[in-house]
Amino acid sequence: AQSVTQLDSQVPVFEEAPVELRCNYSSSVSVYLFWYVQYPNQGLQLLLKYLSGSTLVKGINGFEAEFNKSQTSFHLRKPSVHISDTAEYFCAVNDEAGGYNKLIFGAGTRLAVHP
Amino acid sequence: DGGITQSPKYLFRKEGQNVTLSCEQNLNHDAMYWYRQDPGQGLRLIYYSQIVNDFQKGDIAEGYSVSREKKESFPLTVTSAQKNPTAFYLCATSTGRTEAFFGQGTRLTVV
Repeated sequence: AQSVTQLDSQVPVFEEAPVELRCNYSSSVSVYLFWYVQYPNQGLQLLLKYLSGSTLVKGINGFEAEFNKSQTSFHLRKPSVHISDTAEYFCAVNDEAGGYNKLIFGAGTRLAVHP
Repeated sequence: DGGITQSPKYLFRKEGQNVTLSCEQNLNHDAMYWYRQDPGQGLRLIYYSQIVNDFQKGDIAEGYSVSREKKESFPLTVTSAQKNPTAFYLCATSTGRTEAFFGQGTRLTVV
């Protein structure tokens, strides 16, 4: 079965600085990858997804991620963060073990943007 | 208004009580999921269902039960066998191999 590792539980950053949130997944076979954002006491909102094609994926709110098959990574980046980006971010991978489709999530990275 | 509706938003359970969390969708998605979220542990899969009248256990199914009698509905019952039920519960749907769509969650607290 697939697994996801988010390497940083918390990332503090100053406003307008760049940020990278790291994500590694367990398998090198064909995968679908996702990044979600969660604001306090809310559900998850999709930021971006990689299904196939270009390894650089652009999402909402100025975020992008790069799929790296050789390193089994899917790191999320933003060149200049805003206070409003403060939230928890989850990386997820599609798992089809047993013929059933489901998403497996990492433990999350809490991004704190300071003025 | 389209989407996924979870109710209630907040739920309090006494020791030894069973409680049921509601999840309704009008997206016409075949697959539905229940996840549990605890601080620092991400989302863990409780149960999932690909079609009506069929569902599978996820990684932490013990102490929970589900039903899928209608395509639109996938209620989760937290039974008294679940020893540590306090958590944030999220329902999700998908069309298959792509992304999942999430409800706003139910926060369950044992009192």
